Amino acid sequence: GENVEQHPSTLSVQEGDSAVIKCTYSDSASNYFPWYKQELGKRPQLIIDIRSNVGEKKDQRIAVTLNKTAKHFSLHITETQPEDSAVYFCAASSYNQGGKLIFGQGTELSVKP
Amino acid sequence: DGGITQSPKYLFRKEGQNVTLSCEQNLNHDAMYWYRQDPGQGLRLIYYSQIVNDFQKGDIAEGYSVSREKKESFPLTVTSAQKNPTAFYLCASSPAGQFSNEQFFGPGTRLTVL
Repeated sequence: GENVEQHPSTLSVQEGDSAVIKCTYSDSASNYFPWYKQELGKRPQLIIDIRSNVGEKKDQRIAVTLNKTAKHFSLHITETQPEDSAVYFCAASSYNQGGKLIFGQGTELSVKP
Repeated sequence: DGGITQSPKYLFRKEGQNVTLSCEQNLNHDAMYWYRQDPGQGLRLIYYSQIVNDFQKGDIAEGYSVSREKKESFPLTVTSAQKNPTAFYLCASSPAGQFSNEQFFGPGTRLTVL
């Protein structure tokens, strides 16, 4: 079945620096790749997503890139702020699998002021 | 944050008891999902339903059961057969359709076995 690997598991950066989180997936039929942010004890919130017909998408300080050939996608956060501190999850799904999301293991991002 | 609700927020269960977690949505979404989250881990799919009166097992369905009698509701029962049920349970919903994979999450239920 589909498997999503996420790295690193923890990431610590200084405020203002950039942060990059990487994920790889195994199912070549995957066509949707969301990124969720989860604060402690809260629900995951979608922050950005990308579909397989697009190579890059940007929303203010957040961007996601997708390399279908290599089957990996990355989250880029620029000019990090303390409120960016949270756990970030990548996921992948394919329409022919009923829209199931397969999640990575998560990355705990800490932004130090 | 509105649209999909879960209750209760906290639930305590004695060993050997069945408990049911509620999930309701008013987003008119066809698909609904249940995930389990353990500390320091990602979300694992328990069950999902794409349409009323139909549901499929996810990756960790053993010890759980669901029903989908109404579009708005997708309750999860944690049975006594689930060996280690203490976890954070998240319900999600999404619209049907090829380009509608985004899932919206409820606030979660934290289940503790005493």
